[in-house]
Amino acid sequence: AQRVTQPEKLLSVFKGAPVELKCNYSYSGSPELFWYVQYSRQRLQLLLRHISRESIKGFTADLNKGETSFHLKKPFAQEEDSAMYYCALSDRNQFYFGTGTSLTVIP
Amino acid sequence: DGGITQSPKYLFRKEGQNVTLSCEQNLNHDAMYWYRQDPGQGLRLIYYSQIVNDFQKGDIAEGYSVSREKKESFPLTVTSAQKNPTAFYLCASSRQGGTEAFFGQGTRLTVV
Repeated sequence: AQRVTQPEKLLSVFKGAPVELKCNYSYSGSPELFWYVQYSRQRLQLLLRHISRESIKGFTADLNKGETSFHLKKPFAQEEDSAMYYCALSDRNQFYFGTGTSLTVIP
Repeated sequence: DGGITQSPKYLFRKEGQNVTLSCEQNLNHDAMYWYRQDPGQGLRLIYYSQIVNDFQKGDIAEGYSVSREKKESFPLTVTSAQKNPTAFYLCASSRQGGTEAFFGQGTRLTVV
Protein backbone atom coordinates (compact mmCIF):
# COMPACT_ATOMS: atom_id res chain seq x y z
CA ALA A 1 0.00 0.00 0.00
CA GLN A 2 1.14 3.52 -0.71
CA ARG A 3 1.00 5.94 2.17
CA VAL A 4 2.19 9.41 3.01
CA THR A 5 2.93 10.48 6.58
CA GLN A 6 3.25 14.02 7.85
CA PRO A 7 4.04 13.72 11.55
CA GLU A 8 3.42 17.36 12.50
CA LYS A 9 -0.13 18.72 12.43
CA LEU A 10 0.96 22.15 13.60
CA LEU A 11 4.27 23.95 13.25
CA SER A 12 5.15 27.45 14.41
CA VAL A 13 8.37 29.27 13.63
CA PHE A 14 9.52 32.84 13.96
CA LYS A 15 10.00 35.01 10.91
CA GLY A 16 13.52 34.59 9.56
CA ALA A 17 14.01 31.19 11.18
CA PRO A 18 14.57 28.03 9.14
CA VAL A 19 11.59 25.78 8.61
CA GLU A 20 11.34 22.09 7.79
CA LEU A 21 8.09 20.26 7.16
CA LYS A 22 8.52 16.51 7.35
CA CYS A 23 7.11 13.96 4.94
CA ASN A 24 7.74 10.23 4.82
CA TYR A 25 6.26 7.81 2.35
CA SER A 26 5.92 4.12 1.70
CA TYR A 27 5.84 2.93 -1.86
CA SER A 28 7.07 -0.17 -3.58
CA GLY A 29 8.02 1.42 -6.90
CA SER A 30 9.43 4.73 -8.12
CA PRO A 31 7.17 7.41 -6.70
CA GLU A 32 6.47 10.86 -7.95
CA LEU A 33 6.30 13.22 -4.99
CA PHE A 34 4.80 16.66 -4.58
CA TRP A 35 4.21 19.40 -2.07
CA TYR A 36 0.89 21.23 -2.26
CA VAL A 37 0.02 24.40 -0.38
CA GLN A 38 -3.31 25.91 0.63
CA TYR A 39 -3.22 29.57 1.62
CA SER A 40 -6.14 31.04 3.52
CA ARG A 41 -9.24 31.34 1.29
CA GLN A 42 -7.39 29.98 -1.75
CA ARG A 43 -7.54 26.70 -3.55
CA LEU A 44 -5.03 23.94 -3.05
CA GLN A 45 -2.15 24.42 -5.47
CA LEU A 46 1.10 22.77 -6.40
CA LEU A 47 4.16 24.17 -4.66
CA LEU A 48 6.82 21.89 -6.08
CA ARG A 49 7.50 18.38 -7.37
CA HIS A 50 10.59 16.28 -6.88
CA ILE A 51 11.29 15.66 -10.55
CA SER A 52 11.67 19.33 -11.37
CA ARG A 53 14.24 19.97 -8.62
CA GLU A 54 13.17 23.62 -8.47
CA SER A 55 13.17 26.11 -5.65
CA ILE A 56 9.75 27.76 -5.42
CA LYS A 57 9.23 30.75 -3.12
CA GLY A 58 12.51 29.78 -1.45
CA PHE A 59 11.30 26.25 -0.67
CA THR A 60 13.19 23.12 -1.68
CA ALA A 61 12.53 19.44 -1.15
CA ASP A 62 14.90 16.57 -1.76
CA LEU A 63 13.77 13.03 -2.31
CA ASN A 64 15.73 10.67 -0.06
CA LYS A 65 14.97 7.16 -1.22
CA GLY A 66 17.05 5.58 1.52
CA GLU A 67 15.02 7.27 4.25
CA THR A 68 11.85 7.38 2.10
CA SER A 69 11.48 11.05 2.91
CA PHE A 70 10.62 14.21 1.03
CA HIS A 71 10.99 16.99 3.59
CA LEU A 72 10.19 20.56 2.63
CA LYS A 73 12.70 23.19 3.69
CA LYS A 74 13.15 26.93 3.64
CA PRO A 75 16.14 28.70 5.22
CA PHE A 76 14.31 31.89 6.24
CA ALA A 77 10.57 31.75 6.88
CA GLN A 78 8.34 34.66 5.88
CA GLU A 79 4.92 35.63 7.25
CA GLU A 80 3.33 34.90 3.87
CA ASP A 81 4.46 31.28 4.18
CA SER A 82 1.75 30.69 6.80
CA ALA A 83 -0.51 28.08 5.20
CA MET A 84 -1.51 24.43 5.16
CA TYR A 85 1.02 22.17 3.45
CA TYR A 86 0.29 18.72 2.07
CA CYS A 87 2.79 16.16 0.89
CA ALA A 88 1.48 13.92 -1.90
CA LEU A 89 2.56 10.84 -3.80
CA SER A 90 1.45 9.76 -7.24
CA ASP A 91 1.61 6.22 -8.56
CA ARG A 92 0.61 7.56 -12.01
CA ASN A 93 -2.94 6.41 -11.31
CA GLN A 94 -4.02 8.39 -8.29
CA PHE A 95 -2.68 10.79 -5.71
CA TYR A 96 -2.19 9.97 -2.05
CA PHE A 97 -2.08 12.89 0.35
CA GLY A 98 -0.73 13.23 3.86
CA THR A 99 -2.78 14.69 6.67
CA GLY A 100 -1.20 18.10 6.25
CA THR A 101 0.89 20.45 8.38
CA SER A 102 -0.40 23.86 9.34
CA LEU A 103 2.54 26.28 9.33
CA THR A 104 2.34 29.54 11.25
CA VAL A 105 5.13 32.07 10.88
CA ILE A 106 5.23 34.39 13.88
CA PRO A 107 6.19 38.01 13.12
CA ASP B 1 -8.97 31.93 -12.81
CA GLY B 2 -9.90 28.31 -12.80
CA GLY B 3 -9.87 25.65 -15.38
CA ILE B 4 -11.66 23.48 -12.86
CA THR B 5 -14.90 24.71 -11.34
CA GLN B 6 -16.93 23.34 -8.48
CA SER B 7 -20.43 24.44 -7.70
CA PRO B 8 -22.02 25.46 -5.50
CA LYS B 9 -19.54 26.83 -2.98
CA TYR B 10 -21.89 26.16 -0.05
CA LEU B 11 -24.66 23.58 0.06
CA PHE B 12 -27.17 22.78 2.76
CA ARG B 13 -29.34 19.68 2.74
CA LYS B 14 -31.67 17.89 5.08
CA GLU B 15 -30.66 14.53 6.45
CA GLY B 16 -31.88 11.68 4.28
CA GLN B 17 -31.72 13.59 1.01
CA ASN B 18 -29.31 12.82 -1.80
CA VAL B 19 -27.28 15.76 -3.09
CA THR B 20 -25.09 16.17 -6.17
CA LEU B 21 -21.94 18.26 -6.28
CA SER B 22 -20.80 19.57 -9.63
CA CYS B 23 -17.24 19.52 -11.00
CA GLU B 24 -16.35 20.78 -14.48
CA GLN B 25 -12.94 21.24 -16.10
CA ASN B 26 -11.85 22.78 -19.38
CA LEU B 27 -8.23 21.66 -19.15
CA ASN B 28 -8.75 18.65 -21.43
CA HIS B 29 -7.58 16.41 -18.60
CA ASP B 30 -8.37 12.72 -18.75
CA ALA B 31 -8.22 12.05 -15.03
CA MET B 32 -10.56 13.48 -12.41
CA TYR B 33 -10.76 12.93 -8.66
CA TRP B 34 -13.00 13.61 -5.68
CA TYR B 35 -11.54 14.13 -2.23
CA ARG B 36 -13.04 14.80 1.14
CA GLN B 37 -11.12 17.18 3.40
CA ASP B 38 -11.70 16.94 7.15
CA PRO B 39 -9.67 18.70 9.85
CA GLY B 40 -6.77 16.55 10.98
CA GLN B 41 -7.42 13.89 8.34
CA GLY B 42 -6.02 15.50 5.23
CA LEU B 43 -7.48 14.65 1.85
CA ARG B 44 -9.13 11.28 1.48
CA LEU B 45 -9.93 9.91 -1.95
CA ILE B 46 -13.59 9.11 -2.63
CA TYR B 47 -13.61 8.22 -6.33
CA TYR B 48 -11.39 8.76 -9.33
CA SER B 49 -11.77 8.39 -13.06
CA GLN B 50 -8.98 7.98 -15.61
CA ILE B 51 -11.20 8.01 -18.72
CA VAL B 52 -14.77 8.68 -19.75
CA ASN B 53 -17.31 6.04 -18.70
CA ASP B 54 -14.90 4.50 -16.22
CA PHE B 55 -14.27 5.22 -12.54
CA GLN B 56 -12.75 3.54 -9.52
CA LYS B 57 -13.50 3.60 -5.80
CA GLY B 58 -11.10 5.35 -3.52
CA ASP B 59 -10.53 4.78 0.18
CA ILE B 60 -13.91 6.11 1.36
CA ALA B 61 -16.40 5.43 -1.45
CA GLU B 62 -19.21 4.09 0.73
CA GLY B 63 -22.26 6.34 0.59
CA TYR B 64 -21.08 8.15 -2.53
CA SER B 65 -21.64 7.67 -6.25
CA VAL B 66 -20.18 9.27 -9.38
CA SER B 67 -20.61 9.30 -13.14
CA ARG B 68 -18.25 10.23 -15.96
CA GLU B 69 -20.36 10.61 -19.08
CA LYS B 70 -18.30 13.49 -20.42
CA LYS B 71 -14.58 14.21 -20.21
CA GLU B 72 -15.26 17.64 -18.75
CA SER B 73 -17.63 16.60 -15.98
CA PHE B 74 -17.38 14.36 -12.91
CA PRO B 75 -20.36 14.94 -10.60
CA LEU B 76 -20.41 13.43 -7.12
CA THR B 77 -23.64 12.34 -5.42
CA VAL B 78 -23.68 12.15 -1.66
CA THR B 79 -26.38 9.65 -0.83
CA SER B 80 -28.44 9.24 2.30
CA ALA B 81 -26.31 6.16 3.06
CA GLN B 82 -23.29 8.35 3.84
CA LYS B 83 -23.21 8.41 7.63
CA ASN B 84 -21.29 11.65 8.10
CA PRO B 85 -21.73 13.75 4.96
CA THR B 86 -21.00 17.18 6.40
CA ALA B 87 -17.55 18.03 5.04
CA PHE B 88 -15.51 20.03 2.55
CA TYR B 89 -15.34 18.33 -0.85
CA LEU B 90 -12.55 18.93 -3.36
CA CYS B 91 -12.50 17.98 -7.01
CA ALA B 92 -9.26 17.73 -8.98
CA SER B 93 -8.09 16.84 -12.45
CA SER B 94 -4.80 15.87 -14.06
CA ARG B 95 -3.33 14.63 -17.28
CA GLN B 96 -2.99 10.86 -17.50
CA GLY B 97 0.11 9.56 -15.79
CA GLY B 98 -0.38 11.24 -12.45
CA THR B 99 1.28 14.54 -13.17
CA GLU B 100 0.25 17.72 -11.38
CA ALA B 101 -3.30 17.75 -10.04
CA PHE B 102 -5.34 20.94 -10.37
CA PHE B 103 -7.96 21.58 -7.72
CA GLY B 104 -11.29 23.34 -7.66
CA GLN B 105 -12.29 25.80 -4.97
CA GLY B 106 -14.27 23.18 -3.10
CA THR B 107 -17.85 22.74 -1.94
CA ARG B 108 -18.75 22.87 1.73
CA LEU B 109 -21.70 20.58 2.34
CA THR B 110 -23.70 20.85 5.53
CA VAL B 111 -26.37 18.31 6.29
CA VAL B 112 -28.84 19.28 8.97
